[in-house]
Amino acid sequence: NAGVTQTPKFRVLKTGQSMTLLCAQDMNHEYMYWYRQDPGMGLRLIHYSVGEGTTAKGEVPDGYNVSRLKKQNFLLGLESAAPSQTSVYFCASSLTGTGDYEQYFGPGTRLTVT
Amino acid sequence: QQQVKQSPQSLIVQKGGISIINCAYENTAFDYFPWYQQFPGKGPALLIAIRPDVSEKKEGRFTISFNKSAKQFSLHIMDSQPGDSATYFCAASLSGSARQLTFGSGTQLTVLP
Repeated sequence: NAGVTQTPKFRVLKTGQSMTLLCAQDMNHEYMYWYRQDPGMGLRLIHYSVGEGTTAKGEVPDGYNVSRLKKQNFLLGLESAAPSQTSVYFCASSLTGTGDYEQYFGPGTRLTVT
Repeated sequence: QQQVKQSPQSLIVQKGGISIINCAYENTAFDYFPWYQQFPGKGPALLIAIRPDVSEKKEGRFTISFNKSAKQFSLHIMDSQPGDSATYFCAASLSGSARQLTFGSGTQLTVLP
């Protein structure tokens, strides 16, 4: 099992450009999450999904959109990138969102917006 | 609003020493408190977790102490090793919220050989 994979690993964008980050998991998990990690701020939840075809906003959703067309994939989109979106983005998945099910994290995507 | 406050920001410990990281939370509805370990260039990985109905949980050299009345919990790493050098995050979540995790700001631990 590859677990949670993220594509790409690194990306540099110019202000106003768009891009999509791809997260894939092969563990048949129902729940998937997108976080951003900034120095001194821990990880903050952007959006999450409780199943195929569903999405919901997290703590910092502005400027981002997501889609979950297939159970194994969760896409994070930036329509018009801003320097404030320079961050490391992590995707995570869990079996369900109830009980003590562990969230498994991907290796991250480092995004720089100039 | 930061709902989980973590300290210290950085910690340096000698090999064999005890590392202690503290967290405090505000929302009394939180019912699950995990600690995550992150090595440079990697994603966080679950280290140990506790529910508020117990005051302590131990797994090997790692122990969580939980004080419900003070709304505080801490991670103790006994016999700290250079391989424990990493960033540690405490977190908290609510049941019925898709287990959204609210993270602390992180502690960078360095264990000197």
